Amino acid sequence: NAGVTQTPKFQVLKTGQSMTLQCAQDMNHNSMYWYRQDPGMGLRLIYYSASEGTTDKGEVPNGYNVSRLNKREFSLRLESAAPSQTSVYFCASSNPTGISNQPQHFGDGTRLSIL
Amino acid sequence: GENVEQHPSTLSVQEGDSAVIKCTYSDSASNYFPWYKQELGKRPQLIIDIRSNVGEKKDQRIAVTLNKTAKHFSLHITETQPEDSAVYFCAASGRTGGFKTIFGAGTRLFVKA
Repeated sequence: NAGVTQTPKFQVLKTGQSMTLQCAQDMNHNSMYWYRQDPGMGLRLIYYSASEGTTDKGEVPNGYNVSRLNKREFSLRLESAAPSQTSVYFCASSNPTGISNQPQHFGDGTRLSIL
Repeated sequence: GENVEQHPSTLSVQEGDSAVIKCTYSDSASNYFPWYKQELGKRPQLIIDIRSNVGEKKDQRIAVTLNKTAKHFSLHITETQPEDSAVYFCAASGRTGGFKTIFGAGTRLFVKA
């Protein structure tokens, strides 16, 4: 039981390049999330998927797209990378049911640098 | 949408003292309030959580209190140890917005031996 797995762990891109960050969870969770973490700003929600087949914008969606490929996988794509997107990206999953939310389980993060 | 504010941004205590971190939230529909600890270079990990039908919850040296009327909640760590040094995040989530969770900016806790 690996929990939440993110790939790659590190990546360096040039401005304008594109790439996709991969995330998979094996806990049968319904909801998945992408956050970015910048110094002094905590975790900011980029996109989330409340359940398979749905995605919604979070606090900072501009410059990103997501795909909820199936219940296990939720990918984040940068179509044209910009230096402002240099950050640590965390994927998370949870299993909210009814009126009761459950804690989020995080992956190890992807450290992305854009030159 | 939900907004979570967290104070202080940095907290330094002597080993054995208590540490208190406070958060306020804006969405009265929020009903779940987790706290995460993040060590340097690691993933955030849940340390304690509280739901809106409970005013206080304890787990060994850590406790969380919730005041729904005032829309604030706090993390209390007693008998602090050097291994408690980390960044702590509060968060809030609820039924609005599809269960998404909004995090505070974090508190960097230093425990001096």
